[in-house]
Amino acid sequence: DIQMTQSPASLSASLGETVTIECLASEDIYSNLAWYQQKPGKSPQLLIYDASSLQDGVPSRFSGSESGTQYSLEINSLQSEDAATYFCQQHHDYPFTFGSGTKLEIK
Amino acid sequence: QIQLVQSGPEVKKPGESVKISCKASGYTFTQAGMQWLKQAQGKSLKWMGWINTNTGKTTYAADFTGRFVFSLETSASTAYLQITNLKNEDMATYFCARGDWELDYWGQGVMVTVSS
Repeated sequence: DIQMTQSPASLSASLGETVTIECLASEDIYSNLAWYQQKPGKSPQLLIYDASSLQDGVPSRFSGSESGTQYSLEINSLQSEDAATYFCQQHHDYPFTFGSGTKLEIK
Repeated sequence: QIQLVQSGPEVKKPGESVKISCKASGYTFTQAGMQWLKQAQGKSLKWMGWINTNTGKTTYAADFTGRFVFSLETSASTAYLQITNLKNEDMATYFCARGDWELDYWGQGVMVTVSS
């Protein structure tokens, strides 16, 4: 199975700041990566697909990038509503696998 | 608008079975696959597998073979997850999600409690 190592497990940042969350794939996943946001008690929402494509309706302060097998989610100009847990998911090969999640707190 | 509406919370005893539904609306049901995911309290998401809504072909993750069955009622735009012989470790929230690859719409989740 492809392992997705996500970091950090948690972070705290202030309104207006920029944060970066990373996922390292255990092998090449050829940009077949998505990022999701999940708020407590809610279902996940797709933010980014194909590593860097913004899902319709998602604010442009969210962006995705890649470098080799390292994938990053950047959130610019943090807003209070960005407080959530973020997950990466590879969909290159079965079984699809998720990162362990990053809990983002807004100070 | 596209919606996936799942059935309500379940409380079961070990050894019992549960069948969760996921009713799709706002799109042609057969245009995208349906995936199933498990999330234990406070944990990440675990991919259980998916069902091709065109052909009914199923693919299960290794941890979800034997007691887990995906099925369809295409005429009702509904997908089902059945879990038999429930175990304590099956206690979790189960999500259906639309997509063959990335998951663009999700159900609200069904919490399954397993307790004697």
